[in-house]
Amino acid sequence: GAGVSQTPSNKVTEKGKYVELRCDPISGHTALYWYRQSLGQGPEFLIYFQGTGAADDSGLPNDRFFAVRPEGSVSTLKIQRTERGDSAVYLCASSLNAGQGTEAFFGQGTRLTVV
Amino acid sequence: DQQVKQNSPSLSVQEGRISILNCDYTNSMFDYFLWYKKYPAEGPTFLISISSIKDKNEDGRFTVFLNKSAKHLSLHIVPSQPGDSAVYFCAAKDRNDMRFGAGTRLTVKP
Repeated sequence: GAGVSQTPSNKVTEKGKYVELRCDPISGHTALYWYRQSLGQGPEFLIYFQGTGAADDSGLPNDRFFAVRPEGSVSTLKIQRTERGDSAVYLCASSLNAGQGTEAFFGQGTRLTVV
Repeated sequence: DQQVKQNSPSLSVQEGRISILNCDYTNSMFDYFLWYKKYPAEGPTFLISISSIKDKNEDGRFTVFLNKSAKHLSLHIVPSQPGDSAVYFCAAKDRNDMRFGAGTRLTVKP
């Protein structure tokens, strides 16, 4: 596709449920980032993939959060036993690689609301 | 652990004047810096970037300045236009990830 696509755009779930958020990066981009943005805050780093592997998952807040990118393209962010504090906009970005000179392009985000 | 800081949550300027947005970072391993612009209900949009080997990069009305010794960068917009009103995020990259500041909301008044 032309840009980074995230689905769904909005997700409302009940506390304690499991959710999956999907990111389709720009074709050919090897680097993929997940961020979480709360109101009035900047994007908070969650995890970074280089190809299929998670090169840095230090931003995942706890073990309820997990992300995969099995074929080095589409990535899924998985949240178990959701809590109200997980409500935020989840942003995905991709870039050609992780090095200098490569800007990252963002999707429109998934707004997750846990009720 | 705030590795990238934008200490001004908001900035208001008059149309035609210069807007200066500031950003500080703590991690000396960052080697690439970017500015993103964000409108409500949209993802951040890339605006301009600078490599750590440079101290200035210019693109039309937008110029980014980098002071490595001070670990400080700034974005200058001149002349500012009402359409520039948005939230601006500073970001810094190293080999492994990209970190963002909290953003500065710029309002350009006609």
